[in-house]
Amino acid sequence: EPEVTQTPSHQVTQMGQEVILRCVPISNHLYFYWYRQILGQKVEFLVSFYNNEISEKSEIFDDQFSVERPDGSNFTLKIRSTKLEDSAMYFCASSRTQSPEDYGYTFGSGTRLTVV
Amino acid sequence: QQQVKQSPQSLIVQKGGISIINCAYENTAFDYFPWYQQFPGKGPALLIAIRPDVSEKKEGRFTISFNKSAKQFSLHIMDSQPGDSATYFCAASILNDYKLSFGAGTTVTVRA
Repeated sequence: EPEVTQTPSHQVTQMGQEVILRCVPISNHLYFYWYRQILGQKVEFLVSFYNNEISEKSEIFDDQFSVERPDGSNFTLKIRSTKLEDSAMYFCASSRTQSPEDYGYTFGSGTRLTVV
Repeated sequence: QQQVKQSPQSLIVQKGGISIINCAYENTAFDYFPWYQQFPGKGPALLIAIRPDVSEKKEGRFTISFNKSAKQFSLHIMDSQPGDSATYFCAASILNDYKLSFGAGTTVTVRA
């Protein structure tokens, strides 16, 4: 069964440092997303990406965040200057169509980001 | 604004019992209601979903009940098994709007 692959599984970074979280979506999917889950809290939408541009972003996704699809397979989330409150599990997801009803999203296993 | 409220936060059920998780939503524009199952160290995986034109949907031991007038929906896990032990998230979205609004999650523990 196709999977969304995320690397690394766990990253520890110093406050103020830049981090890049990497994702390889399912190959025939066209829509890509980042969600995050602070420990013990709900999963929150960050950003959606289609046709090489951001489709929608939440209020969480401020100027410190950026996304990029640098080649035909990878999808990255960059946090320019990490803060303690950025510590969370970050999930990448992809879907074949715009509607989550079609096949649903496929989520990766996540990257646990710890900012110290 | 918390668009989807989920309860309980956790529940423990005996093997063979019924697990019930409830969710309520605020945005009347929502018209797609999925449930996701998450095991430790894994991402959420779609379990079952419902549209508001039906009041119930069943897939195996999992059933969604939907009450449009009350803006509530629930997940029932019948004959709960230890392998069902996981965190369950309800979610909602507007069809053709890819953004999902998740509930806070319910950790289900099934005791053998």
